[in-house]
Amino acid sequence: KAGVTQTPRYLIKTRGQQVTLSCSPISGHRSVSWYQQTPGQGLQFLFEYFSETQRNKGNFPGRFSGRQFSNSRSEMNVSTLELGDSALYLCASSFYGLAGEGDEQYFGPGTRLTVT
Amino acid sequence: GESVGLHLPTLSVQEGDNSIINCAYSNSASDYFIWYKQESGKGPQFIIDIRSNMDKRQGQRVTVLLNKTVKHLSLQIAATQPGDSAVYFCAEANQAGTALIFGKGTTLSVSS
Repeated sequence: KAGVTQTPRYLIKTRGQQVTLSCSPISGHRSVSWYQQTPGQGLQFLFEYFSETQRNKGNFPGRFSGRQFSNSRSEMNVSTLELGDSALYLCASSFYGLAGEGDEQYFGPGTRLTVT
Repeated sequence: GESVGLHLPTLSVQEGDNSIINCAYSNSASDYFIWYKQESGKGPQFIIDIRSNMDKRQGQRVTVLLNKTVKHLSLQIAATQPGDSAVYFCAEANQAGTALIFGKGTTLSVSS
């Protein structure tokens, strides 16, 4: 079956702009999580959605937001971009969110965001 | 706060050797642990997982060991191949089971 897909794969934005990234989970998966990956901080959890509801949020400023649609697809938005927002943004999906055997979280290829 | 760390940032081995990548975690209440492999330009790829009610779990050429007494996790790769070269991350699930907390990663280099 198809894996997690993310669009766009690469993006260049200017400081102060906003950006929207998209994630399509594996078919049947209802939990979608977003992570930021940078060389300095590694992989950090942003937020997780399940059935269109945000269940958990990481330690990021309010400029980072997300949503999930009824078909489980998810978007994340970053407003007022800063240079430090340059990172690889990863989306991961699972059936229920690490709930049990067989509910592994699978990652997409990521969106490489560069802020200039 | 909760965190998962790795002992070594890099590990270099010869093709055919067995590799052991270690990880320490801090939350004794953690219930679920996963190893991921990330190749350049790709997202993390699931390798193997283990729940806290187990000490050992085996997959194809990989074994994960969990020592809850010292809060230590390890990944053993048998007969390491050049295709195993990547960054390996250990991760633990948060208590809600809705997010993963990742360590910094170990870069495995396999020379032939």
